[in-house]
Amino acid sequence: AQTVTQSQPEMSVQEAETVTLSCTYDTSENNYYLFWYKQPPSRQMILVIRQEAYKQQNATENRFSVNFQKAAKSFSLKISDSQLGDTAMYFCAFMGGYNTDKLIFGTGTRLQVFP
Amino acid sequence: SAVISQKPSRDICQRGTSLTIQCQVDSQVTMMFWYRQQPGQSLTLIATANQGSEATYESGFVIDKFPISRPNLTFSTLTVSNMSPEDSSIYLCSVYRGINYGYTFGSGTRLTVV
Repeated sequence: AQTVTQSQPEMSVQEAETVTLSCTYDTSENNYYLFWYKQPPSRQMILVIRQEAYKQQNATENRFSVNFQKAAKSFSLKISDSQLGDTAMYFCAFMGGYNTDKLIFGTGTRLQVFP
Repeated sequence: SAVISQKPSRDICQRGTSLTIQCQVDSQVTMMFWYRQQPGQSLTLIATANQGSEATYESGFVIDKFPISRPNLTFSTLTVSNMSPEDSSIYLCSVYRGINYGYTFGSGTRLTVV
């Protein structure tokens, strides 16, 4: 069974600085998708970025980028120029590529951005 | 991406009672998913709901406790039955519309059982 591990329960960063959140996963599949979701206090789950495993190029969305290391099964999220609005829970998630649309979540990292 | 309306946003219920949570999607989707998020924890999949068939439950979740309805392609309900304080959680519905759109989540229902 697939598992997703986030080893950092809490992180903090100063505004305008850069922070990296870690995520590792375990799967025997070759094709799959990885996601980072943000959950602010409003509870709304917001998609931050996604990565297709067959793509070697790391995904980037504005201030958010990933470091996808397929062989190491690592999928870290880098937030550049951190903003106060980035304060939230961040969840790494995995979706298998074949015959499933189920999303498996990691335990989450609580990020606090300080002014 | 899809817009999901989830109701109620929160409720406080007496133990032994049941609560039905509704999710309405603004477009037709094949599968809907129901998640539970216990306080301070991650999201755990309860079941996958397909229109016209019985829901598929994950290990640790049973139909008698969490009956699900999926009467059409835009609507689903999750009932939390015979509630106990351990059922106090946030419950979220979600839909998947392909990799280009990813998953969309409802705003969640915060349930407190007293």
